[in-house]
Amino acid sequence: AQSVSQHNHHVILSEAASLELGCNYSYGGTVNLFWYVQYPGQHLQLLLKYFSGDPLVKGIKGFEAEFIKSKFSFNLRKPSVQWSDTAEYFCAVNHGSGNTGKLIFGQGTTLQVKP
Amino acid sequence: ETGVTQSPTHLIKTRGQQVTLRCSSQSGHNTVSWYQQALGQGPQFIFQYYREEENGRGNFPPRFSGLQFPNYSSELNVNALELDDSALYLCASSLALGLAGENTGELFFGEGSRLTVL
Repeated sequence: AQSVSQHNHHVILSEAASLELGCNYSYGGTVNLFWYVQYPGQHLQLLLKYFSGDPLVKGIKGFEAEFIKSKFSFNLRKPSVQWSDTAEYFCAVNHGSGNTGKLIFGQGTTLQVKP
Repeated sequence: ETGVTQSPTHLIKTRGQQVTLRCSSQSGHNTVSWYQQALGQGPQFIFQYYREEENGRGNFPPRFSGLQFPNYSSELNVNALELDDSALYLCASSLALGLAGENTGELFFGEGSRLTVL
């Protein structure tokens, strides 16, 4: 069965520190990859996505992620975090065939940025 | 704001009861997916509805059922509630472009309905 693993459950950083959140998935076929973010008291929203092409994708608010097919990874990065980045981050994957909107989510990483 | 609205936002039920949760999809979207998010976990796919039919289902028992209406809104019904059904239920809408409901997975989520089963 497909699964998504996020290595860090809770990350605490100071403002201006660099961020990298790990994500690995288990599926050998073509995949679409996503990072969703949930700010406190808000709904889940898309941060960035990878469907095909350049494996380095850029999202909103200065976030980027790199798809490394050989490592089944899609790690999220940001060079310098801000207090407003405090949120829960979810990595997700679905089949590249696009058959259904079924996303497999990781368990999430809570990021706390100290001012 | 995603344009996806869910109701009710919170509700409390007792074991064995039945519950109906509602979702209005974002304008222009024709597909609705439902997810269950237990505390401290990522969302888990329950099922998706496209053209008023179930189009994909996760590992949930038949007592979880749904409907999609001609205006693309949707309901999630859960019968014979169990304590473990306590969770945040998320609705997500999207636009399926293919005849079979192919969907790239870019979902727009509502804020969820928090169900507590006592």
